Amino acid sequence: KQEVTQIPAALSVPEGENLVLNCSFTDSAIYNLQWFRQDPGKGLTSLLLIQSSQREQTSGRLNASLDKSSGRSTLYIAASQPGDSATYLCAVDDYKLSFGAGTTVTVRA
Amino acid sequence: GAVVSQHPSWVICKSGTSVKIECRSLDFQATTMFWYRQFPKQSLMLMATSNEGSKATYEQGVEKDKFLINHASLTLSTLTVTSAHPEDSSFYICSALSRQDSGNTIYFGEGSWLTVV
Repeated sequence: KQEVTQIPAALSVPEGENLVLNCSFTDSAIYNLQWFRQDPGKGLTSLLLIQSSQREQTSGRLNASLDKSSGRSTLYIAASQPGDSATYLCAVDDYKLSFGAGTTVTVRA
Repeated sequence: GAVVSQHPSWVICKSGTSVKIECRSLDFQATTMFWYRQFPKQSLMLMATSNEGSKATYEQGVEKDKFLINHASLTLSTLTVTSAHPEDSSFYICSALSRQDSGNTIYFGEGSWLTVV
């Protein structure tokens, strides 16, 4: 059974600092890995999707890397802003999505 | 872009009653939809996979007689929580699978808050 772990569970940084969010998974036989953002009481917004054959994806200030062999992915958010405050979830797709518990980020103005 | 709509966003019901949550894919056909529940500060837990025209596949530990799933059309799946109890209070989220030549994409609904009193 796929297990997805996200560290840290919570993170508080001052505005402008770079964010590093970690995701690890136990079974490397995946189709892709996806990072989502979830605002309190809301659904999920897809941020980045990395196919199993890719090593990274970038979108604006966001960059996600994938190392399938070690079962790890990292989401980098450059120059954080208060609007980046949310919970970030990673999900591994091995025919169904398995989610981590998320990292709750607070960016202080 | 593709949108998945959930209704209602919020619902309060009395213990012992049933409540239905709808999940619609608005501009694509979804032969497969997924239902998740999320408790506060916890991750999404897959409850069941809903396939159009066939019975849903439930995850281990999820009572299929309590959480009735119907996927009667290519754009609509419904989750009915029967004989709801306070412990069923949770955030329920659906997602829909869009199959395209370029690959598959999953889109999530905005979620439905259920409070059972």
